[in-house]
Amino acid sequence: SQTIHQWPATLVQPVGSPLSLECTVEGTSNPNLYWYRQAAGRGLQLLFYSVGIGQISSEVPQNLSASRPQDRQFILSSKKLLLSDSGFYLCALQSKVYGYTFGSGTRLTVV
Amino acid sequence: AQSVTQLDSHVSVSEGTPVLLRCNYSSSYSPSLFWYVQHPNKGLQLLLKYTSAATLVKGINGFEAEFKKSETSFHLTKPSAHMSDAAEYFCVVRPNAGGTSYGKLTFGQGTILTVHP
Repeated sequence: SQTIHQWPATLVQPVGSPLSLECTVEGTSNPNLYWYRQAAGRGLQLLFYSVGIGQISSEVPQNLSASRPQDRQFILSSKKLLLSDSGFYLCALQSKVYGYTFGSGTRLTVV
Repeated sequence: AQSVTQLDSHVSVSEGTPVLLRCNYSSSYSPSLFWYVQHPNKGLQLLLKYTSAATLVKGINGFEAEFKKSETSFHLTKPSAHMSDAAEYFCVVRPNAGGTSYGKLTFGQGTILTVHP
């Protein structure tokens, strides 16, 4: 079965600092990978998705970027965090065999 | 375009009583529908999914949902709530066609279920 690892689980960062959240997957090849964000009191919002190495599509223009340097690695980054970047970030993978699997999430607090 | 509306942000029930979490959707293409549960500090777990087969879908932990195309609804039910059911629940829609929209999930706002002893 496919598994997904996401870290860190929690993160507190000052405004203006950089961000790097990493997600790696196992048990599948060439999956679709996604970054979602859940702001307090709202549903999950799709931020980025990737259908292959180096292929990134952005759903919502904002202060974040994503990269996929390897087939099973998906990274969410920011050069300078804003207070509004606080939230719960989920990495997800989609494969044809197993469907969707979600990471355990990262709770980011920007102070 | 697609959207999901969960009609209640909070639902509170007593243990042993029925649970009803309501979800309405809209989709330009024939959709697949899902219910996910998220316990505190955990990732999302799939409860059940509808993918154009039987309209009454049975999931894990005694949950069921019925796809009603005429009402564009996919409500989640359980006959008897358990304390361990307390969590946040998300209704999710995914189009089964539609070019660049294919495969993308759209989440509802979530419903927090509280279960009282």
